[in-house]
Amino acid sequence: DSGVTQTPKHLITATGQRVTLRCSPRSGDLSVYWYQQSLDQGLQFLIQYYNGEERAKGNILERFSAQQFPDLHSELNLSSLELGDSALYFCASSVGAGGANQPQHFGDGTRLSIL
Amino acid sequence: GDSVTQMEGPVTLSEEAFLTINCTYTATGYPSLFWYVQYPGEGLQLLLKATKADDKGSNKGFEATYRKETTSFHLEKGSVQVSDSAVYFCALSSNAGGTSYGKLTFGQGTILTVHP
Repeated sequence: DSGVTQTPKHLITATGQRVTLRCSPRSGDLSVYWYQQSLDQGLQFLIQYYNGEERAKGNILERFSAQQFPDLHSELNLSSLELGDSALYFCASSVGAGGANQPQHFGDGTRLSIL
Repeated sequence: GDSVTQMEGPVTLSEEAFLTINCTYTATGYPSLFWYVQYPGEGLQLLLKATKADDKGSNKGFEATYRKETTSFHLEKGSVQVSDSAVYFCALSSNAGGTSYGKLTFGQGTILTVHP
């Protein structure tokens, strides 16, 4: 058990809809990262928050947004969903802002299926 | 930009066989290198890491050495077990300009299946 909790585990919805994925980091971790894992793109970094502030941005679509709340949990919002958004979305957390000596601990992911 | 290339899989081995999964990278600065493992239905777990050239990371019988001259970080294990069956990801964390970044850039993953 990594200590990172993601909910829900599975989500099935239709094109055009909006969903929210939730992540609770390990106790004491200040950074939250979001990654998307799909068959064609592999594992891709989306965005990082550190202590409530956006720290780094990757290949995140404009239809996607995220935030980190004062209690450090994070939410990833996906809107105007398309079939290609079907993927496994991982959240990870680390103690500090990032780096080799701050390993990232991953949750079990949320599997999003768009019908 | 940064990139990681892993040998294509899947890799199928018999128990106690020797394992090598090749990984090469392209990055600015001096990245840190990682191997992560993903078991079915689970998230990624850090297997080992190396932060500078010639460092050797090791864990659970797996080893990888950071080779700057060949920009490689190949994963090896002398004797695999059925329980090692999983997907293995090579990854890097950029350190361009001396600033550490949390973002991980992953390879495409290599599926390993070990038969009894």
